[in-house]
Amino acid sequence: DIQLTQSPASLSASVGDRVTITCRTRQSISVYLQWYQQKPGQAPELLIYLASSLQSGVPSRFSGRGSETDFTLTISSLQPEDSATYYCQQSFSPVHTFGQGTKLEI
Amino acid sequence: QVTLRESGPALVKPTQTLTLTCTFSGFSLSTSGMCVSWVRQPPGKALEWLARIDWDDGKHYSASLKTRLTISKDTSRNQVVLTMTNMDPEDTATYYCARTPPPSSSWYDFWGRGILVTVSS
Repeated sequence: DIQLTQSPASLSASVGDRVTITCRTRQSISVYLQWYQQKPGQAPELLIYLASSLQSGVPSRFSGRGSETDFTLTISSLQPEDSATYYCQQSFSPVHTFGQGTKLEI
Repeated sequence: QVTLRESGPALVKPTQTLTLTCTFSGFSLSTSGMCVSWVRQPPGKALEWLARIDWDDGKHYSASLKTRLTISKDTSRNQVVLTMTNMDPEDTATYYCARTPPPSSSWYDFWGRGILVTVSS
């Protein structure tokens, strides 16, 4: 299985801050990388697909970049409701995998 | 409107076999490129991808769990079934099913609410 390594594991930021979360793989996955947001007690929600495409209905303060082995999720101006855990997920292989998550506290 | 709902036992004993059913509506698993997957999450831990079944009955499993997992579908009933053998307390988790739409079959756009399965004697 393709391993995904997210960093940092957790971070604390303030409303209005710009934050970036990183997801790395050891092998190239082209742009087959997604980002999800999960709040306590809820199922994950899709934010970004294919590295940089914004899912319908997701605020434009969320953006994704990257290709091959290095990817980032950026939240341009943090809002209180962005407090959550964020996961990356690869789909280059038919055996999908998730990163270990980044917990964001605001 | 796309919905998915997981069902099955809330409690299983160690060594037993777990059978979970994902019942969905608003899409057809016979549509080219459509897939349904299972993902689990132990309490306080990360998401773990388990298995996927494709519109053409292709099946894919997590390497670490493939000897214990079987995924199947009943297209006419809009259901996907996951079985996991030899359950262990470490398999205690919330189990989710999720849809992967065409064309690229890459991302999960709709999820069920999840079902918490506890493994305990």
